[in-house]
Amino acid sequence: QQQVKQSPQSLIVQKGGISIINCAYENTAFDYFPWYQQFPGKGPALLIAIRPDVSEKKEGRFTISFNKSAKQFSLHIMDSQPGDSATYFCAASMSTGSEKLVFGKGTKLTVNP
Amino acid sequence: DTGVSQDPRHKITKRGQNVTFRCDPISEHNRLYWYRQTLGQGPEFLTYFQNEAQLEKSRLLSDRFSAERPKGSFSTLEIQRTEQGDSAMYLCASSYLQGPNEKLFFGSGTQLSVL
Repeated sequence: QQQVKQSPQSLIVQKGGISIINCAYENTAFDYFPWYQQFPGKGPALLIAIRPDVSEKKEGRFTISFNKSAKQFSLHIMDSQPGDSATYFCAASMSTGSEKLVFGKGTKLTVNP
Repeated sequence: DTGVSQDPRHKITKRGQNVTFRCDPISEHNRLYWYRQTLGQGPEFLTYFQNEAQLEKSRLLSDRFSAERPKGSFSTLEIQRTEQGDSAMYLCASSYLQGPNEKLFFGSGTQLSVL
């Protein structure tokens, strides 16, 4: 049972373009939605996160859009750069109990120069 | 270095052997998590500790797996009688609980290959 579904599996964008990655969740008890960035040979690193009381959060070139009624959230990377080439994971957790993260399967982003 | 440290970075073993991994969390972090990541997948939760207490274990964690966190500092994950299906990246993460929605900081992982 996959609680967080992520798409697309891979994405190729030209430098300067917008990268968009989508996630959908099933468990309405989730109340924290982070995005992680992972480079080869490294562990995931927190990029940006949102809670369901807001519909959008922006940090630099990275924006999360959140649609609570549709149970969907997305990551937008503006002005994509070759250095953004990495695998991106969406995740979700509940603030009760262990707060363990449930991850999507990841999106491999390639930004061509 | 103030990040999460994992050792070894790579481990190759033969099926049936036992292996042990170590994780040193960020020093002031009281929560420590173990995740497993296979190729092309997101990390999957295995278990977590708050201080020295192991509070939750995933159904993924078979009886061959055991984790400890003595004194609430570093943690070890042992896999007994390894199987080829255990081949994966084992990730450790730590956090400091200071309200809802803690931030997890991951180490670079231990890549296990079971031949």
